Amino acid sequence: AQSVTQPDIHITVSEGASLELRCNYSYGATPYLFWYVQSPGQGLQLLLKYFSGDTLVQGIKGFEAEFKRSQSSFNLRKPSVHWSDAAEYFCAVEGFNKFYFGSGTKLNVKP
Amino acid sequence: NAGVTQTPKFQVLKTGQSMTLQCAQDMNHEYMSWYRQDPGMGLRLIHYSVGAGITDQGEVPNGYNVSRSTTEDFPLRLLSAAPSQTSVYFCASSTIGLDEQYFGPGTRLTVT
Repeated sequence: AQSVTQPDIHITVSEGASLELRCNYSYGATPYLFWYVQSPGQGLQLLLKYFSGDTLVQGIKGFEAEFKRSQSSFNLRKPSVHWSDAAEYFCAVEGFNKFYFGSGTKLNVKP
Repeated sequence: NAGVTQTPKFQVLKTGQSMTLQCAQDMNHEYMSWYRQDPGMGLRLIHYSVGAGITDQGEVPNGYNVSRSTTEDFPLRLLSAAPSQTSVYFCASSTIGLDEQYFGPGTRLTVT
């Protein structure tokens, strides 16, 4: 069965520091992978997606993610975090019209 | 475009009551879905639909019914509410290529 694991529940980084959020997935075929962001009290917004092709994908707000099939990972990165990036981040995999989300990583940004 | 709209924003029910959460989209999307979000568990798929007249179960369908009579609307029905259904519910829609899912603002449901 498909599943997504986000091993970090909370992460705190200083403003201007780099960020990496981890995501591991379990899926039998080539996955469709997504990263979403949720601000408090809001719905989810798509940051980026991977369907095929180049394994390094660029998204909105300066985020990027790298698909590594050998590690079943799709980690999210940002070179320099801004205070407005504080939010909860969800990794998701799609298979057979069903989406499976990770449990989320809450990002705090220190001034 | 209004995007994906959900009503109500907040609801309190007593155990055993029934209600319908409304979801509508004006983007002509074929795919629509319902999720529940609980602390520490991310979003879990309840039901989804790939077009009018077609629905299917997700991860956690028990206690919920859906129907899709039009492309625009995808209501979620709780037939007999239970405290375990206390959650935040999100509706989402996308094209059938399952590109970007657009999420509604959510409905916070409390069952006492």
